[in-house]
Amino acid sequence: GAGVSQSPSNKVTEKGKDVELRCDPISGHTALYWYRQSLGQGLEFLIYFQGNSAPDKSGLPSDRFSAERTGGSVSTLTIQRTQQEDSAVYLCASSIAWGEELFFGEGSRLTVL
Amino acid sequence: EDQVTQSPEALRLQEGESSSLNCSYTVSGLRGLFWYRQDPGKGPEFLFTLYSAGEEKEKERLKATLTKKESFLHITAPKPEDSATYLCAVRLTNTGNQFYFGTGTSLTVIP
Repeated sequence: GAGVSQSPSNKVTEKGKDVELRCDPISGHTALYWYRQSLGQGLEFLIYFQGNSAPDKSGLPSDRFSAERTGGSVSTLTIQRTQQEDSAVYLCASSIAWGEELFFGEGSRLTVL
Repeated sequence: EDQVTQSPEALRLQEGESSSLNCSYTVSGLRGLFWYRQDPGKGPEFLFTLYSAGEEKEKERLKATLTKKESFLHITAPKPEDSATYLCAVRLTNTGNQFYFGTGTSLTVIP
């Protein structure tokens, strides 16, 4: 595709359920980032993948959050046992290796009831 | 502690009324400062990268400048289509590939 694709665009779930958010980066981009954007807050770094290197997980807020990237392309962010404070827009971005410009998807809006 | 602070939080301008947005930073080592534009319901869109004090970048009605403590995004004769949230971000020399974002300035340009 021409840009970063994220799905679902909207997800409403009940507290305690698990959710998976998907990101399909721009073809050829080896770097992939997940950010979280809450109302009135800046973008919060979650995790970064670069090629086949070990991911930088330093931004994951708890062990309920995990992410994987298969085949150096598609990434899935999984939130287990969702809590109301997990409600936010989850943004995925990709770039060329060590690139300065991030290309963002439109985000997945998660609402936990 | 590394910090990125944007001001004002919100700004309303009349069409044609020029102004500036501020991004101040206190970081241990700046590798680059970035400006993004974000429209409602969309992901941020890259505008500029600045690397060193004194550097300037321009694009249409926007000009970004950088000093050792802050960056300004100058908007000259804005139009309603410039209405958006403007985000700045920094990349540090000692934290790998992370980008740290400010909370943004919401700009509304009134016709």
